[in-house]
Amino acid sequence: GAVVSQHPSRVICKSGTSVKIECRSLDFQATTMFWYRQFPKQSLMLMATSNEGSKATYEQGVEKDKFLINHASLTLSTLTVTSAHPEDSSFYICSARDTGGTDTQYFGPGTRLTVL
Amino acid sequence: GNSVTQMEGPVTLSEEAFLTINCTYTATGYPSLFWYVQYPGEGLQLLLKATKADDKGSNKGFEATYRKETTSFHLEKGSVQVSDSAVYFCALRNNAGNMLTFGGGTRLMVKP
Repeated sequence: GAVVSQHPSRVICKSGTSVKIECRSLDFQATTMFWYRQFPKQSLMLMATSNEGSKATYEQGVEKDKFLINHASLTLSTLTVTSAHPEDSSFYICSARDTGGTDTQYFGPGTRLTVL
Repeated sequence: GNSVTQMEGPVTLSEEAFLTINCTYTATGYPSLFWYVQYPGEGLQLLLKATKADDKGSNKGFEATYRKETTSFHLEKGSVQVSDSAVYFCALRNNAGNMLTFGGGTRLMVKP
């Protein structure tokens, strides 16, 4: 089946630094990818929809200048958490919809971000 | 707007017990319905889906039937295993859109 990968799987950084998370669709092209944030024992919160070749669409309450999204190709989207603070510590999950095949939304394995 | 409501967990069962996790939804039109499973420390995996009324999705012994009259998509399994311990998310997507709407998730714990 289709696979979505994320890198890194875990990252620990100091407060004030920026962290980039990559999301790749490995065997299908994704014009649209999604970035979610998940707090412990809670559901997924959609942060933004990433569109290849255009600006991302952010959900209400998500700071676009803090969470920079770039979808430069049909298989890669990146999320950069700028000037990270401890409250940004969370599990970040990306997903991509395979519209050309099974029309299923596949999820990456997630990235655990810890900001000290 | 769209919404998904799941039974709150945790649900604790003994191995080989019968499982039901309730899911109801509110949506306009005819959404597609999904169950995703999240194992500890991992992302979500699609478990099963149904795209129209009366469809039954099934996978790995799990089943769910799209019931439009009751706006439900309850997840069932006849005999759970310890390895089924995970968090289960019900979700819907309107056919006109890209976005998934998730329920709150239900943690299942299966004891030997």
